[in-house]
Amino acid sequence: DAKTTQPNSMESNEEEPVHLPCNHSTISGTDYIHWYRQLPSQGPEYVIHGLTSNVNNRMASLAIAEDRKSSTLILHRATLRDAAVYYCILGDNFNKFYFGSGTKLNVKP
Amino acid sequence: EPEVTQTPSHQVTQMGQEVILRCVPISNHLYFYWYRQILGQKVEFLVSFYNNEISEKSEIFDDQFSVERPDGSNFTLKIRSTKLEDSAMYFCASSDQGRRQPQHFGDGTRLSIL
Repeated sequence: DAKTTQPNSMESNEEEPVHLPCNHSTISGTDYIHWYRQLPSQGPEYVIHGLTSNVNNRMASLAIAEDRKSSTLILHRATLRDAAVYYCILGDNFNKFYFGSGTKLNVKP
Repeated sequence: EPEVTQTPSHQVTQMGQEVILRCVPISNHLYFYWYRQILGQKVEFLVSFYNNEISEKSEIFDDQFSVERPDGSNFTLKIRSTKLEDSAMYFCASSDQGRRQPQHFGDGTRLSIL
């Protein structure tokens, strides 16, 4: 299993930035770093992914360390709808995903 | 935006019965996956499917499970003889280029075994 380590929970205030960390020290050179989130009673939702360079999309930014052993998901302005469990996942050659426990993000109004 | 759809949203079945869970992946996608999530637990990989055959399967995916893409649009998961411990949310996902691209998940089928 490709291993990632994330804090169990984090809290943020609405409209403030959130930085969600992930450690993946055993990442291989070809593993992509994917971030998903899951709201209650819904399927995992794609947020962002990358290989080596930092990535931006309409939902978030992904900052990848130079040695690729860690990454950070950045939500620029958290809203109440961003409250979810966030998963950092390494995609291997077959792209089967191993979900960990993720980080439960609580957003306070 | 195209999405993965799963039916039914909730399936109740007697133990020992066969059940088929259905998924319609995004139309131009080539890679298909099934995952399950037992209540309160992690999402677990079951099987991946590409080019009309299984690419990889987990230890959970034993002889009771099978997958099929019968008609070029549907992707099904069959459980031959259900057990109580098969009760879970089952998620289908698809992607267009394997590991370089994200997987898109459906909202799942809740399977309840009585």
